[in-house]
Amino acid sequence: AQSVTQLGSHVSVSEGALVLLRCNYSSSVPPYLFWYVQYPNQGLQLLLKYTTGATLVKGINGFEAEFKKSETSFHLTKPSAHMSDAAEYFCAVSDRSNYQLIWGAGTKLIIKP
Amino acid sequence: ETGVTQTPRHLVMGMTNKKSLKCEQHLGHNAMYWYKQSAKKPLELMFVYSLEERVENNSVPSRFSPECPNSSHLFLHLHTLQPEDSALYLCASSRDRSYEQYFGPGTRLTVT
Repeated sequence: AQSVTQLGSHVSVSEGALVLLRCNYSSSVPPYLFWYVQYPNQGLQLLLKYTTGATLVKGINGFEAEFKKSETSFHLTKPSAHMSDAAEYFCAVSDRSNYQLIWGAGTKLIIKP
Repeated sequence: ETGVTQTPRHLVMGMTNKKSLKCEQHLGHNAMYWYKQSAKKPLELMFVYSLEERVENNSVPSRFSPECPNSSHLFLHLHTLQPEDSALYLCASSRDRSYEQYFGPGTRLTVT
């Protein structure tokens, strides 16, 4: 069965610093890959997705992620953190045969002033 | 209204009550989903409807009963819930099952 691992339930960075949120998946076949963000008291919002093609994917709010097949990773980055980035981030993978999303446990991003 | 809406946003119910959660999507999508989000646990998929037909039911207790009367509306009927059912219930929709999902704001359910 597929699984998704997000390293670190909490990540703290200073405002203006690089944001790196890690996501690894287990799959023998490259899946579809997603990052979602959840602000307090809200639903999940799609940040970006990878299906096919270019392995570096750009999303909303200045975030991007790179699909690395050899490392089975899809890490999320942003060059400079902003206070408004404080939220919980979820990585998800979708099996190309049944399209069911498998979710990571989430990483809470804390921005220090 | 745009996107995916859910009502009510908050619900407190006793263990013997019957209530329903409502989800409506204004995106013209063909697939709809119910998820349960509990603290410190990954998102749990409960039900999937595609073209108004239930296609997934992930071992959810029978005290949760979904209903999809048309492609825009999804309900979750609740009865005789347990305190451990307290959670955020999220509805999502997608163009079809192979496309990305769009989420509503959720209903925060507390069972007393």
